[in-house]
Amino acid sequence: EPEVTQTPSHQVTQMGQEVILRCVPISNHLYFYWYRQILGQKVEFLVSFYNNEISEKSEIFDDQFSVERPDGSNFTLKIRSTKLEDSAMYFCASSAPGLAGGPTRTDTQYFGPGTRLTVL
Amino acid sequence: QQQVKQSPQSLIVQKGGISIINCAYENTAFDYFPWYQQFPGKGPALLIAIRPDVSEKKEGRFTISFNKSAKQFSLHIMDSQPGDSATYFCAASNRSSGSARQLTFGSGTQLTVLP
Repeated sequence: EPEVTQTPSHQVTQMGQEVILRCVPISNHLYFYWYRQILGQKVEFLVSFYNNEISEKSEIFDDQFSVERPDGSNFTLKIRSTKLEDSAMYFCASSAPGLAGGPTRTDTQYFGPGTRLTVL
Repeated sequence: QQQVKQSPQSLIVQKGGISIINCAYENTAFDYFPWYQQFPGKGPALLIAIRPDVSEKKEGRFTISFNKSAKQFSLHIMDSQPGDSATYFCAASNRSSGSARQLTFGSGTQLTVLP
């Protein structure tokens, strides 16, 4: 079964450094998302991406964050200058295009295994 | 208004018992309500989902009950098994531009099924 993959599984960085988290969504999917989960807390939406532009973003997704689809397969999240509070598990998700008159396939978001980001 | 409130925070059930997790929402624009299961070190995986035009959906041992007027929905796990031990998240979303959906998650329920 196709799955979303993410690399690296664990990233350790110093405060103020830039990090890029990488995701390979499921191949025929057109909608891409980033979520984060601070240890022991709920999963929080960061950003959605469709047709090569941001569709929606949360208040967490400030100017330090950016997303890009540099080629036909990768989807990346960049944090320009990491802060201690950016330490979290970051999940990429993707969903398929809906069929005409049937949005069900668009509703299901498939999550990757996550990248644990530790900012020291 | 975007919050989804989930309870209980943790739940311990005997093998073969029924696990019930509840969620409540405020935003009446929500039109899709999935439940996700998460094992340690893994990403959330869709378990079952419901839309507000039905009051119940069943898939195997998992059932969602939906009460639109009360703005509540719940997950019932029948014949709970030790392999069901995981964290369960309810979520909700409404359609945004371009058909992309922002999921709003509940705070999660840590389910432990004792053998």
